[in-house]
Amino acid sequence: GAVVSQHPSWVICKSGTSVKIECRSLDFQATTMFWYRQFPKQSLMLMATSNEGSKATYEQGVEKDKFLINHASLTLSTLTVTSAHPEDSSFYICSAIDRAGNIQYFGAGTRLSVL
Amino acid sequence: AQSVTQLDSQVPVFEEAPVELRCNYSSSVSVYLFWYVQYPNQGLQLLLKYLSGSTLVKGINGFEAEFNKSQTSFHLRKPSVHISDTAEYFCAVSDLAVSGGYNKLIFGAGTRLAVHP
Repeated sequence: GAVVSQHPSWVICKSGTSVKIECRSLDFQATTMFWYRQFPKQSLMLMATSNEGSKATYEQGVEKDKFLINHASLTLSTLTVTSAHPEDSSFYICSAIDRAGNIQYFGAGTRLSVL
Repeated sequence: AQSVTQLDSQVPVFEEAPVELRCNYSSSVSVYLFWYVQYPNQGLQLLLKYLSGSTLVKGINGFEAEFNKSQTSFHLRKPSVHISDTAEYFCAVSDLAVSGGYNKLIFGAGTRLAVHP
C-alpha cells in the first residue's frame, strides 16, 4: 500500500519559535495532501488542503499566517507553525491522496508540545 | 452538508467475543465510506472502504463492514476480537467527486474499542 512519512514524530519547542513538519509520499505522487489537527480523545479536524504548485486552501477558522503550508513537489508538503504558543500544542497528522483520488493515506502524526 | 455519527464513544468487549462498531452518516449525494484505525500516538490506518459494488466490504485484520443505503449506515464488525484490536476507530465519509476532483473526508468522533482478557 501507499506510504506517507511524517517527520518529526515529536517536537518540543519554546513559545515564540517556529516549527516545521514534513509530510512525504514515499511511493506515489500526491497532487493533494491534507493537514489535520487532533486534540486528545477527539476526532481529526481538517486544517487545510495542500495542492502541489498552488496555494493551500484553509478551513474556516484556521489562520493561514499562523499555519504556513508549502507543497513544493509531488511528494512533499510542509506545515510550519509560526510563533508557536502553548495553545498550538496538539497532534498534527498529514495525509495524501492516491492517483485515483479516492483514498487518503495518513502519516504517523507529529506531536507538538510548546512550552 | 455531510455528517458522520459514531453512536458509541467506547465499546468494552472481552477477547474472542464479536464486536460491532456503529456508524451512521447523512448526505444528500452518493458517498464513499471508510473505516480507519488509530493506535496510540500513531496516524490512521485504512481498515476498509466502500466505493461501489458489493455492499459487504472486507478489510484487514478480519474486519468487515456493510453499507446499508436505506439506513445510511456503515457498521464495522469482527467475529472474534483480539487484545491487539484495542484502538480508536474512526468512520469517515466523502461525497463522490462531481467533476473528477476530490472531496474532503468528514470524520466521526471515534469509538474507543477496549478488548479485555
